[in-house]
Amino acid sequence: SAVISQKPSRDICQRGTSLTIQCQVDSQVTMMFWYRQQPGQSLTLIATANQGSEATYESGFVIDKFPISRPNLTFSTLTVSNMSPEDSSIYLCSVVSGFSIGTEAFFGQGTRLTVV
Amino acid sequence: AQSVTQLGSHVSVSEGALVLLRCNYSSSVPPYLFWYVQYPNQGLQLLLKYTSAATLVKGINGFEAEFKKSETSFHLTKPSAHMSDAAEYFCAVSGGGADGLTFGKGTHLIIQP
Repeated sequence: SAVISQKPSRDICQRGTSLTIQCQVDSQVTMMFWYRQQPGQSLTLIATANQGSEATYESGFVIDKFPISRPNLTFSTLTVSNMSPEDSSIYLCSVVSGFSIGTEAFFGQGTRLTVV
Repeated sequence: AQSVTQLGSHVSVSEGALVLLRCNYSSSVPPYLFWYVQYPNQGLQLLLKYTSAATLVKGINGFEAEFKKSETSFHLTKPSAHMSDAAEYFCAVSGGGADGLTFGKGTHLIIQP
């Protein structure tokens, strides 16, 4: 299993500002992902964080709005840029350890973001 | 591409009664299916997963699910509900490899005393 630490756990931010969320894993992992969970909604994949290269974004998400870094196999950051109230969500980091197909994904506790 | 449909955004059962949470999937490749549970203000915890081995999968906390290819379903069941089962349940599908997960909209399980 993998233990994931996400920081901050919650924040209230002013519109137009940016917030960087950190995801630290206690062991090296194969894949790291970022998800968004809007209020009362399901989880939507934002992007796959690739080590040493640009993240792979899902449809509807762009690098300028959600820049992602992954400098090594245990750490990643997601920045929510130029925030608006519509960005108020829970952002979750997820990791997969190992190369077997169907390997379990582990999730962090999430960052609850409120934009005012 | 994959998608997941969870029937019923809210399901209410009495304590001790059968729990049945429905999940249907669509996938262009053999799917890998998961059920996750989310307790209030917590992250997601894996209940069980199907990865093309046995079609009846047993998970934690007494839950199990059966993969039915002909019905494209992966319904979650538990014979006897407990108050501690009250939570949000998500069905998810993956195409395998480097894919992230595609989640259903979730089902909020309410346990009546």
